[in-house]
Amino acid sequence: QVHLVQSGAEVRKPGASVKVSCKASGYTFTVNDIHWVRQAPGQGLEWMGRINPNNGGTKFAQKFHGRVTMTRDTSISTAYMELSRLRSDDTAVYYCAREDIVLVTGIYYYQMDVWGQGTTVTVSS
Amino acid sequence: DIQMTQSPSSLSASVGDTVTIACRASQSVNKHLNWYQCKPGKAPKLLIYAASSLQSGVPSRFSGGGSGTDFTLTISSLHPEDFATYYCQQTFITWTFGQGTKVEIK
Repeated sequence: QVHLVQSGAEVRKPGASVKVSCKASGYTFTVNDIHWVRQAPGQGLEWMGRINPNNGGTKFAQKFHGRVTMTRDTSISTAYMELSRLRSDDTAVYYCAREDIVLVTGIYYYQMDVWGQGTTVTVSS
Repeated sequence: DIQMTQSPSSLSASVGDTVTIACRASQSVNKHLNWYQCKPGKAPKLLIYAASSLQSGVPSRFSGGGSGTDFTLTISSLHPEDFATYYCQQTFITWTFGQGTKVEIK
């Protein structure tokens, strides 16, 4: 069975950084991109970016450019998301999710089929 | 970025009702459109991908349609466990989600 298991809850002060881990099991880690999505209290889902575990290539949503870093350690099938210069509005549940690719009538389609359990990050002075 | 707008933002329905949620993209995303179900304290769950393909294990009362800029998610005969928030997501260019539609019990 495919699983993504994330690290535990974190509390940080404004201006600090936080690093969340996402350990994959049940499949070949380097085959599927890992995405990061967050949900602030009472708000919707927000896509942050993704990492290709095979080559380390990344792509981020524009609003996170310069503040987010995504890395991976293939030896332990783990992806990481680090967010710096934290603000109170970064308080959210952060999810990692596996990208799945399906061929439908000759076109490849992308979706997030397996999700981690979420990591609560609280930013408070 | 492509903006995704869902309507309504919330709706009230009874068990057994059929509900339809709309999602509009600010530009064409062809059929690169997914639907997710979110419940408090749980990770999102993929329901529909490629606009109309049912994810494995998802009940057939869920269906999706549309292409280009206009899409729908229909839940036929609501079950108690279907009361949740639903999000559309485009994966055509720099992935983005809609703002969500909360389906509440009437």
